[in-house]
Amino acid sequence: KAGVTQTPRYLIKTRGQQVTLSCSPISGHRSVSWYQQTPGQGLQFLFEYFSETQRNKGNFPGRFSGRQFSNSRSEMNVSTLELGDSALYLCASSQLAGGTDTQYFGPGTRLTVL
Amino acid sequence: AQSVSQHNHHVILSEAASLELGCNYSYGGTVNLFWYVQYPGQHLQLLLKYFSGDPLVKGIKGFEAEFIKSKFSFNLRKPSVQWSDTAEYFCAVTGSARQLTFGSGTQLTVLP
Repeated sequence: KAGVTQTPRYLIKTRGQQVTLSCSPISGHRSVSWYQQTPGQGLQFLFEYFSETQRNKGNFPGRFSGRQFSNSRSEMNVSTLELGDSALYLCASSQLAGGTDTQYFGPGTRLTVL
Repeated sequence: AQSVSQHNHHVILSEAASLELGCNYSYGGTVNLFWYVQYPGQHLQLLLKYFSGDPLVKGIKGFEAEFIKSKFSFNLRKPSVQWSDTAEYFCAVTGSARQLTFGSGTQLTVLP
């Protein structure tokens, strides 16, 4: 089976712009979770989608949003980018929702905000 | 809120030395426990997991971990490390929050 794929792998944006990141889960996986990884804060949970519905949300501002499509692919959007949004954004997929199953991670999208 | 503590931020070992990385979590209910590894330039990979049953779990590449409920711990062990084990190791737990909560990570450097 192919693993979790994320596009693009690298992005450079400027403050105030918006960005959309994409994640394709492992075939058959219906849950997609997003995480932000930074040197200072480590790995932090953003949100989880299961069957096109947001099931859980972390402690991030409303500028961070996401959605899931009927084929389980997910997108994450960040509006009005700030310098502090520079991070590695990781997507993970699992068969079941709510942390009851093993999550498999993609390679991440490295976002740099200038 | 559930939390995970990894007390060792950076561990340096020589090849063939034994490894033990500490992990403690805060949630008192039913938990699922994980160790992930991130090799330089690579994505997070699952090393091992504990959901239920035998508290001593074995993972890939000779790693094992022991779940001690009374100590809220899930320490990672390997009897003899190799240079290729150089990586960052993350302990994670799902519990009441129904999401993966990660520890801050331990950077392991193995000297040849």
